[in-house]
Amino acid sequence: EAGVAQSPRYKIIEKRQSVAFWCNPISGHATLYWYQQILGQGPKLLIQFQNNGVVDDSQLPKDRFSAERLKGVDSTLKIQPAKLEDSAVYLCASSLDLEGFREQFFGPGTRLTVL
Amino acid sequence: DAKTTQPNSMESNEEEPVHLPCNHSTISGTDYIHWYRQLPSQGPEYVIHGLTSNVNNRMASLAIAEDRKSSTLILHRATLRDAAVYYCILRPNYGGSQGNLIFGKGTKLSVKP
Repeated sequence: EAGVAQSPRYKIIEKRQSVAFWCNPISGHATLYWYQQILGQGPKLLIQFQNNGVVDDSQLPKDRFSAERLKGVDSTLKIQPAKLEDSAVYLCASSLDLEGFREQFFGPGTRLTVL
Repeated sequence: DAKTTQPNSMESNEEEPVHLPCNHSTISGTDYIHWYRQLPSQGPEYVIHGLTSNVNNRMASLAIAEDRKSSTLILHRATLRDAAVYYCILRPNYGGSQGNLIFGKGTKLSVKP
Protein backbone atom coordinates (compact mmCIF):
# COMPACT_ATOMS: atom_id res chain seq x y z
CA GLU A 1 0.00 0.00 0.00
CA ALA A 2 1.43 3.39 -0.98
CA GLY A 3 2.02 5.78 1.90
CA VAL A 4 1.34 9.49 2.25
CA ALA A 5 3.25 11.40 -0.40
CA GLN A 6 4.54 14.94 0.06
CA SER A 7 6.46 17.33 -2.13
CA PRO A 8 8.81 19.03 -2.20
CA ARG A 9 10.99 17.41 0.46
CA TYR A 10 13.04 20.55 0.99
CA LYS A 11 12.45 24.22 0.28
CA ILE A 12 14.53 27.29 0.97
CA ILE A 13 12.98 30.73 0.51
CA GLU A 14 13.54 34.27 1.67
CA LYS A 15 11.20 35.98 4.11
CA ARG A 16 8.16 37.60 2.53
CA GLN A 17 8.18 35.09 -0.33
CA SER A 18 5.37 32.59 -0.81
CA VAL A 19 5.58 28.80 -0.79
CA ALA A 20 3.22 25.87 -1.35
CA PHE A 21 3.36 22.27 -0.19
CA TRP A 22 1.48 19.35 -1.68
CA CYS A 23 0.16 16.19 -0.04
CA ASN A 24 -1.42 13.05 -1.48
CA PRO A 25 -2.97 10.91 1.27
CA ILE A 26 -3.43 7.16 1.31
CA SER A 27 -6.18 6.12 -1.08
CA GLY A 28 -9.58 5.96 0.60
CA HIS A 29 -8.59 8.03 3.63
CA ALA A 30 -11.27 10.62 4.33
CA THR A 31 -9.35 12.59 6.96
CA LEU A 32 -6.28 14.66 6.17
CA TYR A 33 -4.11 16.64 8.59
CA TRP A 34 -1.37 19.24 8.24
CA TYR A 35 1.12 19.60 11.11
CA GLN A 36 3.96 22.00 11.75
CA GLN A 37 7.00 20.66 13.60
CA ILE A 38 9.55 23.19 14.84
CA LEU A 39 12.98 21.79 15.67
CA GLY A 40 13.03 20.13 19.09
CA GLN A 41 9.25 20.10 19.50
CA GLY A 42 6.46 17.66 18.78
CA PRO A 43 4.22 18.21 15.76
CA LYS A 44 1.45 20.79 16.13
CA LEU A 45 -1.81 20.43 14.21
CA LEU A 46 -2.51 23.29 11.80
CA ILE A 47 -5.62 22.10 10.01
CA GLN A 48 -7.77 19.00 9.68
CA PHE A 49 -10.03 18.07 6.75
CA GLN A 50 -12.79 15.52 6.56
CA ASN A 51 -13.22 14.86 2.82
CA ASN A 52 -13.15 18.38 1.37
CA GLY A 53 -14.51 20.15 4.47
CA VAL A 54 -12.49 21.79 7.26
CA VAL A 55 -13.03 20.18 10.67
CA ASP A 56 -10.53 22.21 12.68
CA ASP A 57 -8.33 25.14 11.65
CA SER A 58 -8.12 26.82 15.05
CA GLN A 59 -4.30 26.69 15.09
CA LEU A 60 -3.79 27.89 11.53
CA PRO A 61 -2.40 31.46 11.29
CA LYS A 62 -4.98 32.51 8.79
CA ASP A 63 -3.39 35.86 7.99
CA ARG A 64 -0.61 34.03 6.14
CA PHE A 65 -1.45 30.34 5.93
CA SER A 66 -4.12 28.76 3.76
CA ALA A 67 -4.99 25.19 2.87
CA GLU A 68 -7.41 23.46 0.58
CA ARG A 69 -8.56 20.00 -0.32
CA LEU A 70 -10.87 20.75 -3.21
CA LYS A 71 -11.75 17.27 -4.44
CA GLY A 72 -11.42 15.54 -1.10
CA VAL A 73 -8.21 13.79 -2.09
CA ASP A 74 -4.92 15.67 -2.29
CA SER A 75 -4.26 18.92 -0.49
CA THR A 76 -2.07 22.01 -0.65
CA LEU A 77 -0.81 24.20 2.17
CA LYS A 78 0.36 27.71 1.30
CA ILE A 79 2.28 30.34 3.23
CA GLN A 80 2.17 33.91 1.96
CA PRO A 81 4.20 35.85 3.01
CA ALA A 82 6.64 33.64 4.89
CA LYS A 83 8.32 34.75 8.11
CA LEU A 84 11.54 33.52 9.70
CA GLU A 85 9.57 31.69 12.41
CA ASP A 86 7.84 29.56 9.76
CA SER A 87 11.04 27.55 9.38
CA ALA A 88 9.92 24.06 10.30
CA VAL A 89 9.01 20.64 8.94
CA TYR A 90 5.49 20.51 7.54
CA LEU A 91 3.94 17.08 7.92
CA CYS A 92 0.87 15.73 6.21
CA ALA A 93 -1.03 12.79 7.68
CA SER A 94 -4.15 10.88 6.78
CA SER A 95 -6.52 8.45 8.47
CA LEU A 96 -9.49 6.40 7.43
CA ASP A 97 -11.89 8.52 9.45
CA LEU A 98 -12.22 10.61 12.60
CA GLU A 99 -12.62 7.80 15.13
CA GLY A 100 -10.45 8.25 18.23
CA PHE A 101 -8.88 4.81 17.94
CA ARG A 102 -7.89 5.28 14.31
CA GLU A 103 -4.18 5.52 13.54
CA GLN A 104 -2.77 8.36 11.51
CA PHE A 105 -0.27 7.73 8.73
CA PHE A 106 2.34 10.44 8.28
CA GLY A 107 4.26 11.48 5.21
CA PRO A 108 8.00 12.21 5.24
CA GLY A 109 7.44 15.96 5.60
CA THR A 110 8.69 19.08 3.83
CA ARG A 111 11.56 20.89 5.51
CA LEU A 112 11.13 24.64 5.02
CA THR A 113 13.94 27.09 5.68
CA VAL A 114 13.10 30.80 5.62
CA LEU A 115 16.12 33.08 5.31
CA ASP B 1 -1.77 21.29 25.85
CA ALA B 2 -0.32 17.79 26.13
CA LYS B 3 -1.98 15.90 28.99
CA THR B 4 0.78 13.34 29.46
CA THR B 5 4.12 13.35 31.27
CA GLN B 6 7.10 11.43 29.93
CA PRO B 7 10.81 11.39 30.77
CA ASN B 8 12.83 13.54 28.40
CA SER B 9 15.26 10.75 27.54
CA MET B 10 16.09 7.10 28.19
CA GLU B 11 18.91 4.77 27.25
CA SER B 12 18.82 1.09 26.48
CA ASN B 13 21.18 -1.62 25.36
CA GLU B 14 20.56 -3.46 22.13
CA GLU B 15 18.54 -6.68 22.46
CA GLU B 16 17.34 -5.78 25.95
CA PRO B 17 13.73 -4.91 26.83
CA VAL B 18 12.77 -1.26 27.16
CA HIS B 19 9.96 0.11 29.32
CA LEU B 20 8.88 3.64 28.41
CA PRO B 21 6.61 5.18 31.08
CA CYS B 22 3.83 7.72 30.64
CA ASN B 23 1.73 9.43 33.30
CA HIS B 24 -1.73 10.70 32.43
CA SER B 25 -3.45 11.39 35.73
CA THR B 26 -6.24 13.49 34.16
CA ILE B 27 -7.34 10.82 31.68
CA SER B 28 -11.08 10.58 31.11
CA GLY B 29 -13.11 7.47 30.48
CA THR B 30 -13.34 8.03 26.73
CA ASP B 31 -9.65 8.76 26.14
CA TYR B 32 -7.62 6.30 24.09
CA ILE B 33 -3.91 6.05 24.91
CA HIS B 34 -1.89 6.28 21.70
CA TRP B 35 1.84 5.83 21.18
CA TYR B 36 3.69 7.14 18.16
CA ARG B 37 7.39 7.26 17.48
CA GLN B 38 9.49 9.44 15.23
CA LEU B 39 12.76 8.24 13.81
CA PRO B 40 15.34 10.87 12.82
CA SER B 41 14.33 12.85 9.73
CA GLN B 42 11.04 10.95 9.32
CA GLY B 43 7.39 11.60 10.05
CA PRO B 44 5.82 10.06 13.17
CA GLU B 45 4.84 6.42 12.98
CA TYR B 46 1.95 4.76 14.82
CA VAL B 47 3.08 2.18 17.36
CA ILE B 48 0.09 1.03 19.39
CA HIS B 49 -3.04 2.20 21.18
CA GLY B 50 -5.29 0.98 23.97
CA LEU B 51 -8.28 1.91 26.08
CA THR B 52 -8.39 -0.21 29.23
CA SER B 53 -6.79 -3.60 28.59
CA ASN B 54 -3.18 -4.38 27.82
CA VAL B 55 -2.46 -4.63 24.10
CA ASN B 56 0.13 -6.43 22.02
CA ASN B 57 1.08 -6.04 18.39
CA ARG B 58 4.06 -6.87 16.22
CA MET B 59 5.90 -3.73 17.26
CA ALA B 60 5.33 -3.47 21.01
CA SER B 61 3.15 -4.09 24.04
CA LEU B 62 1.14 -1.53 25.95
CA ALA B 63 0.56 -2.06 29.65
CA ILE B 64 -2.19 0.13 31.13
CA ALA B 65 -2.52 0.63 34.88
CA GLU B 66 -5.77 -0.49 36.45
CA ASP B 67 -6.75 3.12 37.26
CA ARG B 68 -5.62 4.18 33.74
CA LYS B 69 -3.55 7.03 35.17
CA SER B 70 -0.34 5.64 33.73
CA SER B 71 0.83 3.33 30.99
CA THR B 72 4.05 1.73 29.81
CA LEU B 73 5.18 1.02 26.28
CA ILE B 74 7.28 -2.12 26.18
CA LEU B 75 9.74 -2.91 23.42
CA HIS B 76 10.65 -6.54 24.01
CA ARG B 77 14.09 -6.51 22.35
CA ALA B 78 15.45 -3.10 21.45
CA THR B 79 17.30 -2.75 18.17
CA LEU B 80 19.32 0.17 16.85
CA ARG B 81 16.38 0.96 14.60
CA ASP B 82 14.21 1.61 17.67
CA ALA B 83 16.21 4.76 18.51
CA ALA B 84 13.57 7.46 18.17
CA VAL B 85 11.39 9.96 20.03
CA TYR B 86 8.39 8.18 21.54
CA TYR B 87 5.18 10.14 22.09
CA CYS B 88 2.41 9.12 24.48
CA ILE B 89 -0.84 10.86 23.52
CA LEU B 90 -4.38 10.84 24.90
CA ARG B 91 -7.05 10.99 22.23
CA PRO B 92 -10.74 11.37 23.05
CA ASN B 93 -13.09 9.23 21.03
CA TYR B 94 -15.34 12.16 20.22
CA GLY B 95 -14.19 12.43 16.66
CA GLY B 96 -13.79 15.77 14.97
CA SER B 97 -11.59 18.48 16.40
CA GLN B 98 -11.86 17.13 19.94
CA GLY B 99 -10.20 13.92 18.85
CA ASN B 100 -7.00 15.47 17.55
CA LEU B 101 -3.55 14.21 18.43
CA ILE B 102 -1.73 16.66 20.69
CA PHE B 103 1.99 15.87 20.75
CA GLY B 104 4.20 16.74 23.71
CA LYS B 105 8.00 16.56 23.62
CA GLY B 106 8.09 12.79 24.04
CA THR B 107 10.90 10.56 25.27
CA LYS B 108 14.08 10.34 23.24
CA LEU B 109 15.24 6.72 23.33
CA SER B 110 18.88 5.96 22.63
CA VAL B 111 19.95 2.36 21.95
CA LYS B 112 23.55 1.35 22.54
CA PRO B 113 25.12 -1.53 20.59
